[in-house]
Amino acid sequence: QQPVQSPQAVILREGEDAVINCSSSKALYSVHWYRQKHGEAPVFLMILLKGGEQKGHDKISASFNEKKQQSSLYLTASQLSYSGTYFCGTEMGIMIYNQGGKLIFGQGTELSVKP
Amino acid sequence: DAGITQSPRHKVTETGTPVTLRCHQTENHRYMYWYRQDPGHGLRLIHYSYGVKDTDKGEVSDGYSVSRSKTEDFLLTLESATSSQTSVYFCAISESWYRGDENYGYTFGSGTRLTVV
Repeated sequence: QQPVQSPQAVILREGEDAVINCSSSKALYSVHWYRQKHGEAPVFLMILLKGGEQKGHDKISASFNEKKQQSSLYLTASQLSYSGTYFCGTEMGIMIYNQGGKLIFGQGTELSVKP
Repeated sequence: DAGITQSPRHKVTETGTPVTLRCHQTENHRYMYWYRQDPGHGLRLIHYSYGVKDTDKGEVSDGYSVSRSKTEDFLLTLESATSSQTSVYFCAISESWYRGDENYGYTFGSGTRLTVV
């Protein structure tokens, strides 16, 4: 089942903060986050592996709560360059050794940062 | 940047014709994936490969087949194209997909925009 992202869209002014949530009805083993600008390919931001883990990437950070089966992406002091669609990706089923994992992506959250 | 190219970049085809999209990588990565992207649906996994001649189905595999005869090439074939397969198709690669290997996410190609008329 596809993870559910919220909100679907958000509009910010430069310098404002935003939170994007990703929830799954199934157990989460890891969460990926990607950003896609219009007309371009998605770009990897970060992966979270452990419950309670938090990571930072410039002013973009994320947390992962495996008990709640959810992850949140935090964008602080947003910049114009943060505009784009953000996707979370979660593992599809239990990973089989050596076959690797398969990511299911959420439907995306469109973020627009205005001057 | 990871060397991953998709061809063609754009294609218009007629309903009922077979179509093959190509993904080529120069990174010697083991894992390769095909996704389609449609408004409101995000990215949906079609098929993936975990090695030469090793493939598995994804969420939306009906009407699609894949082949991987060499590490560097992963082909997606629409056996008989339908209008519902009009979409943007992305290939992705990953060097490692072991949960503990956190340094490697997916690298995506630039996409192929396919229109079935």
